[in-house]
Amino acid sequence: DAGVIQSPRHEVTEMGQEVTLRCKPISGHDYLFWYRQTMMRGLELLIYFNNNVPIDDSGMPEDRFSAKMPNASFSTLKIQPSEPRDSAVYFCASSLVGNRGANVLTFGAGSRLTVL
Amino acid sequence: AQKITQTQPGMFVQEKEAVTLDCTYDTSDQSYGLFWYKQPSSGEMIFLIYQGSYDEQNATEGRYSLNFQKARKSANLVISASQLGDSAMYFCAMREGYGSGNTGKLIFGQGTTLQVKP
Repeated sequence: DAGVIQSPRHEVTEMGQEVTLRCKPISGHDYLFWYRQTMMRGLELLIYFNNNVPIDDSGMPEDRFSAKMPNASFSTLKIQPSEPRDSAVYFCASSLVGNRGANVLTFGAGSRLTVL
Repeated sequence: AQKITQTQPGMFVQEKEAVTLDCTYDTSDQSYGLFWYKQPSSGEMIFLIYQGSYDEQNATEGRYSLNFQKARKSANLVISASQLGDSAMYFCAMREGYGSGNTGKLIFGQGTTLQVKP
């Protein structure tokens, strides 16, 4: 199993540009999560999907952020326009409710975004 | 509302000794799950151990054990026989719900940085 695949691993962009982060979850997993990690705010849940349907997007900072999951094997997180305060590591994670109901999240390696 | 508190920003431990990382939580739900993740300097998030609120036994996974005290709402991680490779940030997390009724939504604490001294 290749695990959760995120791209790009690193992105440096100028303020005002559009940024698209991509995620391929583990095959068969029915939950997908987008988290953001910063020194100041720690790990924040932005949005999560269940069976490709957005369940909770209350963590999305503002309208500049949007996320889609067009099918079970692909999701995007888009920031338009980007701002310096969006600089962070963005993690995608996927999970499947197991026999014990643990629903353990498997994380991707993260996308480090720097907005100049 | 859910809340996870890790009061130790940083910890040191001597190699081969045991260390306990503290975690307290707050929830009004009776069904929930508690998790610990490790984040080494390379940045990936690695799952370590899970405890369900209805699990009667404390969870163990190799050198990791979770000291679950439900009445005190604490879920401390114990690492036995520390190794240099254990140096990392450790996050406690909680998810409301259990089994097929769980929300899947995981809330993280602020983390504890552990440094293992040779």
